[in-house]
This record gives sequence, C-alpha cells and structure tokens, in this order.
Amino acid sequence: GAVVSQHPSRVICKSGTSVKIECRSLDFQATTMFWYRQFPKKSLMLMATSNEGSKATYEQGVEKDKFLINHASLTLSTLTVTSAHPEDSSFYICSARSPMTGKAEAFFGQGTRLTVV
Amino acid sequence: KQEVTQIPAALSVPEGENLVLNCSFTDSAIYNLQWFRQDPGKGLTSLLLIQSSQREQTSGRLNASLDKSSGRSTLYIAASQPGDSATYLCAALPQGGSEKLVFGKGTKLTVNP
Repeated sequence: GAVVSQHPSRVICKSGTSVKIECRSLDFQATTMFWYRQFPKKSLMLMATSNEGSKATYEQGVEKDKFLINHASLTLSTLTVTSAHPEDSSFYICSARSPMTGKAEAFFGQGTRLTVV
Repeated sequence: KQEVTQIPAALSVPEGENLVLNCSFTDSAIYNLQWFRQDPGKGLTSLLLIQSSQREQTSGRLNASLDKSSGRSTLYIAASQPGDSATYLCAALPQGGSEKLVFGKGTKLTVNP
C-alpha cells in the first residue's frame, strides 16, 4: 500500500517552545492531508484538514494559532505546535488518502509522541 | 450525522480461535468502510477497505464484510495468533463530498498464547 511517513516519532520539548511535525506522502501526491490527536486509550480526534496551497480547515474547538498547519507541496504537510504547554502532550497522527487505486483509501503515518516538560 | 460504534470494546481469546469484531454505522450513505489495526504507541495500519458497492474483502486470515442496509460491518480473523493482539478500528467515509473519516472507538484484542 501507499506510504505516509511522519517525523519525528518522538519529541520532548520545553514548555513555551514550538515543535514542528512533518507528514510526507512518499509514493503519491496528496492534495489533502489530515491531522489527528489521540489521547491515551481514546480514539482519534480530527484536528484539521490540510489543503495544499490554501489554508487548513480546523475542527471546532481547535486553536488555529496554536496548531499551525502548512501544506506547501503535494507531498508534505507540517503541523507546528506553538508555545507548547504540558497539556499539549499527546500522540499526533497524520493521514493522507491515496488516489492510486481510486478507492480513496486512507493511509496513516507512524505517529508522533509529543511530551512537553 | 454519521456515528460509528464498535462492540465489544475489548476482547480476549485463546490462540487459534476464530473471532469476529463488529462495527455499526448509523448512515448507510457511505463511500467506503475501512478497517485498521493500531499497535500501542504506533500509527494506524490499513487492513481492508470495502467499497460501498462491495460485500466483502479478504486478505490472508482476515475477512471483512459490509451490509449497508443494516449498517454493519464485521472483521473476521481466522486462527488468531498472539501477534494479532492490537486495537482494531473501523472507519466510515461518508458520501456527499465530506472527506472526513468517522471512526469507531476501537476493539482492543488480546490473543493469549
């Protein structure tokens, strides 16, 4: 299947700093990518839809100034957690839908474990 | 609004047993339904995708079925192995232009040696 690569897999940062997470579609172009957050033992919560060449669409309750999304190319979307605080510690996962088979199959990155200390 | 439910929330079985995981959805207007596996601390791995027009898909020991009229999908795992232990998630992709997957809360499967 298609490959979505997410980097880094783990990051620890100090409170008040910013952290950037990258999501790449390795073997297909993705005009749309999705960013999720997952709390321990909970299902995925969609944060925002990343659109290549235009502004991201944020879900209700997600602070767009806190979670900056940039989708500058057809294979790369980035999520920047700005002025991180301990409550931002979580597991972040990105997803892209591969057009290759025409089935709109979604593929996910490996996830990023963010710990803010 | 589409809602996806997975039952049971957790399941523990002995190795070698055949098992069924259930997924139900409230709106039959779906584009496809996808089953994923998630290992602890990892991302999601796509297992099977069933298009709206299909009834089932098979991959190895896995078989997924779809009954849109009843709003149900099942994931059948044959001859379970300890390596099958993980959380299994189903997700429905609605028709109508929305590209947001709607996830169930998952079933945590433990296969005991």
